[in-house]
Amino acid sequence: GESVGLHLPTLSVQEGDNSIINCAYSNSASDYFIWYKQESGKGPQFIIDIRSNMDKRQGQRVTVLLNKTVKHLSLQIAATQPGDSAVYFCAENIRGSTLGRLYFGRGTQLTVWP
Amino acid sequence: SAVISQKPSRDICQRGTSLTIQCQVDSQVTMMFWYRQQPGQSLTLIATANQGSEATYESGFVIDKFPISRPNLTFSTLTVSNMSPEDSSIYLCSVAFGGRPNTEAFFGQGTRLTVV
Repeated sequence: GESVGLHLPTLSVQEGDNSIINCAYSNSASDYFIWYKQESGKGPQFIIDIRSNMDKRQGQRVTVLLNKTVKHLSLQIAATQPGDSAVYFCAENIRGSTLGRLYFGRGTQLTVWP
Repeated sequence: SAVISQKPSRDICQRGTSLTIQCQVDSQVTMMFWYRQQPGQSLTLIATANQGSEATYESGFVIDKFPISRPNLTFSTLTVSNMSPEDSSIYLCSVAFGGRPNTEAFFGQGTRLTVV
């Protein structure tokens, strides 16, 4: 598959702090990116997405930043809560590829402690 | 979004046997995919399930080992054939809707397979 990797396998933050999860990709033909949250025993849950013609996209408490120059993607979670504890994956779709056909990064385990 | 149901949710199987996993969606979807998630690992795309034709397999996956059916726009099956302990994984069904500018993919809860 394509090379989509994460910088840190684990991240521990205190409740209320902001979290930043990073992701690097190598394929310059990637034009669509998604962040997923996976809780134990569950399937991945869509969080937020961004197209390559954008640099930033905001959702509720989450922001995704895309830096195409260095092929870097980040997910920022504001005011992190215990319910945010999960594994977070970035995934990419290659331009011209079947819609929804995704390559996933390694994953970051986020732990939120009180 | 879509509600995706996978059956079984988990199973323990003997090596050398086969298991068929079902994926049912509550609405018609354009794309259906199957992924594997080995213990503690990320998701790896196995194949794209094509309606009415043979699935499109990713590098490293073959039809003889992972036959896939997709008889209509709401249902697909994945069979894990001649299983070995290395096939112990979570198998996930994913769907996507075509014709949207940003095509997010939705996932089922997964089937946790243990081969003994």
